[in-house]
Amino acid sequence: DVKVTQSSRYLVKRTGEKVFLECVQDMDHENMFWYRQDPGLGLRLIYFSYDVKMKEKGDIPEGYSVSREKKERFSLILESASTNQTSMYLCASSLRPAGYTFGSGTRLTVV
Amino acid sequence: GEDVEQSLFLSVREGDSSVINCTYTDSSSTYLYWYKQEPGAGLQLLTYIFSNMDMKQDQRLTVLLNKKDKHLSLRIADTQTGDSAIYFCAPSGEGYQKVTFGTGTKLQVIP
Repeated sequence: DVKVTQSSRYLVKRTGEKVFLECVQDMDHENMFWYRQDPGLGLRLIYFSYDVKMKEKGDIPEGYSVSREKKERFSLILESASTNQTSMYLCASSLRPAGYTFGSGTRLTVV
Repeated sequence: GEDVEQSLFLSVREGDSSVINCTYTDSSSTYLYWYKQEPGAGLQLLTYIFSNMDMKQDQRLTVLLNKKDKHLSLRIADTQTGDSAIYFCAPSGEGYQKVTFGTGTKLQVIP
């Protein structure tokens, strides 16, 4: 069964920490995405990547960076975590036109 | 960017049909997706329609597309309690399969 795996379901981090969220897919998809999901705001795109070492900013990239050194792995980095980055983070990969396959999400709390 | 609007909440009785509506602004959307999110989980692709179609049926699911009015709907026949979830409309744009998600419609099925 094809999969997108996010390394943690729940994370608690302190303000100012550097935080790494990892995502791995086993479907050989070119495209990978990071979204955050907040109540009443739906899903907002942070960054996406359409190839190894390529990245594009989404709608809300401020405070985040990404890394894609291998095709199957796409990492989201919070350079200096802040409380307003407390959220559910969802990783997805895709191969058109089959749509996205999502991971189960990481619920991050910054205290 | 694209705006995608959905009503936030829908309540139906078990066995009735549910209709979830979505309006979008980008007339160049080529694929239009519906995703389902159960509590505590990531999003799961339900179905999608290509922009040159006006209807697609898949078992209990019917997708209707009115391209002129930029209106998409998802009908679920014989709604069951297991259909209780949040449903997201997600039209795609050109380029690298980037989609824009609506805020989601929470479907509550009353036994």
